[in-house]
Amino acid sequence: GNSVTQMEGPVTLSEEAFLTINCTYTATGYPSLFWYVQYPGEGLQLLLKATKADDKGSNKGFEATYRKETTSFHLEKGSVQVSDSAVYFCALTPFSGGYNKLIFGAGTRLAVHP
Amino acid sequence: EPEVTQTPSHQVTQMGQEVILRCVPISNHLYFYWYRQILGQKVEFLVSFYNNEISEKSEIFDDQFSVERPDGSNFTLKIRSTKLEDSAMYFCASSDGDRLNEQYFGPGTRLTVT
Repeated sequence: GNSVTQMEGPVTLSEEAFLTINCTYTATGYPSLFWYVQYPGEGLQLLLKATKADDKGSNKGFEATYRKETTSFHLEKGSVQVSDSAVYFCALTPFSGGYNKLIFGAGTRLAVHP
Repeated sequence: EPEVTQTPSHQVTQMGQEVILRCVPISNHLYFYWYRQILGQKVEFLVSFYNNEISEKSEIFDDQFSVERPDGSNFTLKIRSTKLEDSAMYFCASSDGDRLNEQYFGPGTRLTVT
């Protein structure tokens, strides 16, 4: 079946520290991969995406590379800010296009302190 | 920028009552989804909807749930007889079904069943 596994949180960092949130997936086909972010009291926002192996998604200083050989899509940021404090969800859709549910990981809470 | 809207933002209801959660998807989108997030847990797929019919539904989406697109702009989720365990944040999402299958989420409706 299809599933997503994320590292457990919370992750607590000081401002300007390097961030890695691990995400691995299991999928039967060729999934598209996503990172969504949920700020306190808000809904889900798409952070970045990648649709095929070796694609790198990037946005707002965050990056993730679609690694088919390790079935991973780890989220990284070189220097986090207090405003990055949120819950980060790794997700996949099993196929490209059409109607296609998102399968989410459990989420990783990030807390960044000044 | 177009966005998905949801009403109400918070709904409190008594066990056994019917509730209708409303969503207005992005106007040119063709695929519509409901997800829910029980407090502190992962986001779970409920149902996808395309061409005026359900495309896929999860095990959670039992006979007490129904969806409808009554007028070409609204997309509703009805829970016929609410249970305590239906208390959650319900998110509506829409996509245009292209290859990237990027889903745009609304801000959510928090449903509290007492």
